[in-house]
Amino acid sequence: GAGVSQTPSNKVTEKGKYVELRCDPISGHTALYWYRQSLGQGPEFLIYFQGTGAADDSGLPNDRFFAVRPEGSVSTLKIQRTERGDSAVYLCASSFAGTSGSPGTQYFGPGTRLTVL
Amino acid sequence: GENVEQHPSTLSVQEGDSAVIKCTYSDSASNYFPWYKQELGKRPQLIIDIRSNVGEKKDQRIAVTLNKTAKHFSLHITETQPEDSAVYFCAASIRGSYIPTFGRGTSLIVHP
Repeated sequence: GAGVSQTPSNKVTEKGKYVELRCDPISGHTALYWYRQSLGQGPEFLIYFQGTGAADDSGLPNDRFFAVRPEGSVSTLKIQRTERGDSAVYLCASSFAGTSGSPGTQYFGPGTRLTVL
Repeated sequence: GENVEQHPSTLSVQEGDSAVIKCTYSDSASNYFPWYKQELGKRPQLIIDIRSNVGEKKDQRIAVTLNKTAKHFSLHITETQPEDSAVYFCAASIRGSYIPTFGRGTSLIVHP
């Protein structure tokens, strides 16, 4: 079946602009995660959705970052007034709901490489 | 929150040798420990995971061991092959949080 997809694969923007990054999870996965990965680092948690609601947004760095998942499937990560420091690969992952207080197996998308000039 | 340390940052081995990557975690309430392999320019892919109710898990050439007392877990790859070359990430998830914290990664290079 189809895996997690993300669009665009690359996004170049100018400082101060607004960007939207899209994630299509695996069908039936109720959990969706956004991560940010800088060169030489592991994925850094941003936000976690269970269904339509943000169950944990503690990783969002500031109020310029926002994410939605209105129908419990596709999610959009929105970044306002972009800064050069926002440049990174933004990864999305989805999973079935976790059990026993642990996350389900996460399947990652290919990522969107964001470059802010 | 959880803190995960991963060592070494780079590991170079000859084909056929074994490779071991170690991670430590800070929160004793962590109960889920996945390992991901990320090839250059590709997405991270789960290769093995372990939960806190077992001490070891094996899948062909890959094994993971967990020491809850010492709060560390390790990835063991035997009979390494050039296609094992990639960056490997460990992660730990605190019970009830559903959020894994990742290590900084180990770049494994297997020389033919």
